[in-house]
Amino acid sequence: AIQMTQSPSSLSAFVGDRVTITCRASQGIRNDLGWYQQKPGKAPKLLIYAASSLQSGVPSRFSGSASGTDFTLTISSLQPEDLATYYCLQDYSYPWTFGQGTKVEIK
Amino acid sequence: EVQLLESGGGLVQPGGSLRLSCAASGFTFSSYAMNWVRQAPGKGLEWVSVISGSGSNTYYADSVKGRFTISRDNSRNTLYLQMNSLSAEDTAVYYCAKDESRGGRAAFDTWGQGTVVTVSS
Repeated sequence: AIQMTQSPSSLSAFVGDRVTITCRASQGIRNDLGWYQQKPGKAPKLLIYAASSLQSGVPSRFSGSASGTDFTLTISSLQPEDLATYYCLQDYSYPWTFGQGTKVEIK
Repeated sequence: EVQLLESGGGLVQPGGSLRLSCAASGFTFSSYAMNWVRQAPGKGLEWVSVISGSGSNTYYADSVKGRFTISRDNSRNTLYLQMNSLSAEDTAVYYCAKDESRGGRAAFDTWGQGTVVTVSS
């Protein structure tokens, strides 16, 4: 199975800061990766699909990029409502696998 | 409104079985692949299984292969997960998720609220 190594496991930043979260795949996965946001006690929400395509209705401060086997989720200006845990998911080959998650806290 | 509503969770003894259901509404159910994703208490998300829109193709996580069976009834707009030989490691919130599949890439655009499965004696 493809392993997705997500980093950092947690971070704390100020409102307005630029935040980056990375997922590294254990092998090439083309751009077959999505990013999901999970707020406490809620179901996950799709932010990005196909590595860099923004899901409809998601604020433009969220963006995704890819370079080889490294994938990045960027929040350009962190907002209080972005308090959540973020997960990547590779859908290149079965079994699909999530990263371990990154918990984002507001300073 | 597109909605998914899971049911069937509960307390089950180790070695027991349980069947989860996910009732879909607000979209053409048979046109979309559907997934189960679970989350153990205090842990991250784990993809469990997927079934194609027709039901002809299914795939599983290694941790559940041979024990869980995903199925669907397109006439009833319902997704199922039959879980057998349950162990404590299967204790989790189970979510169903619709795959919008944008350009052949997975996109879980709609999720249910989750149903809790607890495996304990």
